[in-house]
Amino acid sequence: DIQMTQSPSSLSASVGDRVTITCRSSQTITTYLNWYQQKSGEAPKLLISTASTLQSGVPSRFSGSGSGTDFTLTISSLQPEDFATYYCQQSYRTPLTFGEGTKVEMK
Amino acid sequence: EVQLLESGGGLVQPGGSLRLSCAASGFTFSPYAMSWVRQAPGKGLEWVSGISGSGGSTYYADSIQGRFTISRDNSKNTLFLQMNSLRAEDSAIYYCAKTGAVVFLHPAFDSWGQGALVTVSS
Repeated sequence: DIQMTQSPSSLSASVGDRVTITCRSSQTITTYLNWYQQKSGEAPKLLISTASTLQSGVPSRFSGSGSGTDFTLTISSLQPEDFATYYCQQSYRTPLTFGEGTKVEMK
Repeated sequence: EVQLLESGGGLVQPGGSLRLSCAASGFTFSPYAMSWVRQAPGKGLEWVSGISGSGGSTYYADSIQGRFTISRDNSKNTLFLQMNSLRAEDSAIYYCAKTGAVVFLHPAFDSWGQGALVTVSS
């Protein structure tokens, strides 16, 4: 199985901060990497697919990059509604696997 | 608007069975591959199973292989997960999720239901 490792597991940030979350896969997944946001008590929401494709309706402050085994989710200017947990997911092959999540908390 | 509504969750004893349903509306159900993803209380996301738009191809996580069966009824716009031989570690919220493709290949889950809680306990 492909293992997905996210870092950090949590971070504290302020509104307006630039936030970067990294995700590393145990083997190459080319660009088959998706990012989700999950707020407390809610279902996950797809933010970015295939490493860098922003989903319709997702604010442009979110961006994704990377290929191979190393990927990054960046929030250019953190907004109050962005405090949540973020997960990466590889879709290169089954079994599909998720990272353990990064919780973005208010400083 | 895409809507996915799970049902069938509840409390079951170890070794028991449950059948989850996911009623889809707001989009044409039949072409799209679908999936189940679960989340244990306070834990991360775990992919469970996937199925192609036709229902002809199915995929499973190792942890549930041989115990769970995914299926769909395209005439009723409904996805199912039959769960047998349930264990305490299967306790989780089970989400139904839609992909953007017909085949279950490199899927991203673009819509999710609100989840059904399954608790396995004596």
